[in-house]
Amino acid sequence: GQNIDQPTEMTATEGAIVQINCTYQTSGFNGLFWYQQHAGEAPTFLSYNVLDGLEEKGRFSSFLSRSKGYSYLLLKELQMKDSASYLCAVPNYGGATNKLIFGTGTLLAVQP
Amino acid sequence: EPEVTQTPSHQVTQMGQEVILRCVPISNHLYFYWYRQILGQKVEFLVSFYNNEISEKSEIFDDQFSVERPDGSNFTLKIRSTKLEDSAMYFCATRDFVKETQYFGPGTRLLVL
Repeated sequence: GQNIDQPTEMTATEGAIVQINCTYQTSGFNGLFWYQQHAGEAPTFLSYNVLDGLEEKGRFSSFLSRSKGYSYLLLKELQMKDSASYLCAVPNYGGATNKLIFGTGTLLAVQP
Repeated sequence: EPEVTQTPSHQVTQMGQEVILRCVPISNHLYFYWYRQILGQKVEFLVSFYNNEISEKSEIFDDQFSVERPDGSNFTLKIRSTKLEDSAMYFCATRDFVKETQYFGPGTRLLVL
């Protein structure tokens, strides 16, 4: 089976850096996704990590350690618009079409 | 940039009624998915569709649910007899043959009264 854990809520200050962690247990591994979801809206793709290490994309970076079953999303120079839920998700290994298994999401509140 | 679109954005229906939710996938995508998200809960997989047939479905996707691609472009989710607990946001997602990334539509908010 698959299990994904991430903190429920986090608070950070505008202009600061925040790290959102995700741990997973899977029977196999086919990469890890981070999505951003604003309230009442669809998940939007942020990153996909397959190999170990840090991938940087503008203000957002994502890190993966396959041996530890661990990933984090790093948000720099926080802006108020970054207030959203951040969803960690893994494709279902061995499934016919790699459905995504989502964590509960981390609700990030950015304060002035 | 191509997008997944969904209609309607909101639907209110009476318990026991049928609803059809529609999705237009990104044009070169071949894998289609429906997910739902009950308010305050995680995104849950319902069903995946490839090559004009269901590839995988979850326990939630019982006999009251069906999917089809009626005209080669739209991808629909039908709920035959809605229940109160079907109230949720329903997202369509699609991806191409090579890349794993799924792109989500804006969702349909379904409210069953």
